[in-house]
Amino acid sequence: QSALTQPRSVSGSPGQSVTISCTGTSSDVGGYNYVSWYQQHPGKAPKLMIYDVSKRPSGVPDRFSGSKSGNTASLTISGLQAEDEADYYCCSYAGSYPLYVFGTGTKVTVL
Amino acid sequence: EVQLVQSGAEVKKPGESLKISCKGSGYSFTSYWIGWVRQMPGKGLEWMGIIYPGDSDTRYSPSFQGQVTISADKSISTAYLQWSSLKASDTAMYYCVRVVGATANYFDYWGQGTLVTVSS
Repeated sequence: QSALTQPRSVSGSPGQSVTISCTGTSSDVGGYNYVSWYQQHPGKAPKLMIYDVSKRPSGVPDRFSGSKSGNTASLTISGLQAEDEADYYCCSYAGSYPLYVFGTGTKVTVL
Repeated sequence: EVQLVQSGAEVKKPGESLKISCKGSGYSFTSYWIGWVRQMPGKGLEWMGIIYPGDSDTRYSPSFQGQVTISADKSISTAYLQWSSLKASDTAMYYCVRVVGATANYFDYWGQGTLVTVSS
């Protein structure tokens, strides 16, 4: 199974919204409502931002939202802030080996 | 407070063996899967494998099967990732993660990472 496909980079001005896509197949993204998103700042460990497609863990701002349509999941950051500048990775449960498939990663730049 | 604390950075030569650790605290260590994720320099995340410390059931990504060994010692709430013969291509940051969800489908806590450098 190949990595899920994400755009290499997206950018936006403070206050704007950006959306990151994550495209897989019917064996991973399309087959399960188990897509999660992780934020990684330079030199830091990744942090869970969204799980089960659209659920937010406690402490994650509601500016972050997730959705899915068919084989493509999306992460939207509304009201972009400077601290949102980071790399973002999607991940899908795949049911069979490999059990988890990560996306290629997207760098979000706040202009 | 849930914490995963990993062992420190390692510098090794090709062919040497290595075992890195991940100690869990603040939760029932035997009740959750623990996973390992690799991040090569400047690259993305790759799932390596998971272990259930309660019974040591272990699952590997096909990409890492036979290349590494994942184990756990539940008496000290610690999971391990080991290599018998390191290669330069093993140079990477390695993260341990707690795996949760209805089907153990996402990673809610991450260790701080262990940087492994393999160089002659």
